Amino acid sequence: AQSVTQLDSQVPVFEEAPVELRCNYSSSVSVYLFWYVQYPNQGLQLLLKYLSGSTLVKGINGFEAEFNKSQTSFHLRKPSVHISDTAEYFCAVSDTGGFKTIFGAGTRLFVKA
Amino acid sequence: ETGVTQSPTHLIKTRGQQVTLRCSSQSGHNTVSWYQQALGQGPQFIFQYYREEENGRGNFPPRFSGLQFPNYSSELNVNALELDDSALYLCASSLSYNSPLHFGNGTRLTVT
Repeated sequence: AQSVTQLDSQVPVFEEAPVELRCNYSSSVSVYLFWYVQYPNQGLQLLLKYLSGSTLVKGINGFEAEFNKSQTSFHLRKPSVHISDTAEYFCAVSDTGGFKTIFGAGTRLFVKA
Repeated sequence: ETGVTQSPTHLIKTRGQQVTLRCSSQSGHNTVSWYQQALGQGPQFIFQYYREEENGRGNFPPRFSGLQFPNYSSELNVNALELDDSALYLCASSLSYNSPLHFGNGTRLTVT
């Protein structure tokens, strides 16, 4: 069975500063990894995904994440955040042959002017 | 390309009642997954339907049931509603059972 731990429940950051949202997972099998973003009163939108290949994955809105198999991590980064990036971010994992995507508890990113 | 649509957007029910939530999947997607998101928490997997068959289930009691239709739209039914069932219910469609999920905006269910 897989599990996901998002290490920070809230991350406050000033506009134009860099940010890193941390995610660790556990699994005994090969996995796919995802980051989703949720704006208030909306569903989740896929930011980026790691399925195979390069461990550095680029997504929408200037976000990127790096898959580190030895540390079982998939941290999300952005070099310069905007006010509009304020949202809830969810890390998720699924095993490559399975059907279930497991989500972390979320990290609230709050960008201050 | 039409995305995932869910109806209704909001719903208020009384404890003990039954509710049906509906979801239209994105064009070309044959798989629908349902999630429950309680306030301040991540989505919890309820079940998945793949080509009209239940393909897997999370830790939810049998009073949570579902259907998928030939056009791949789906319903989530919850019987004997409890107060703890109050949550945002999210439907997500995907190209196949292990593909990335595309979410609708959810149905906010309040049980009083």
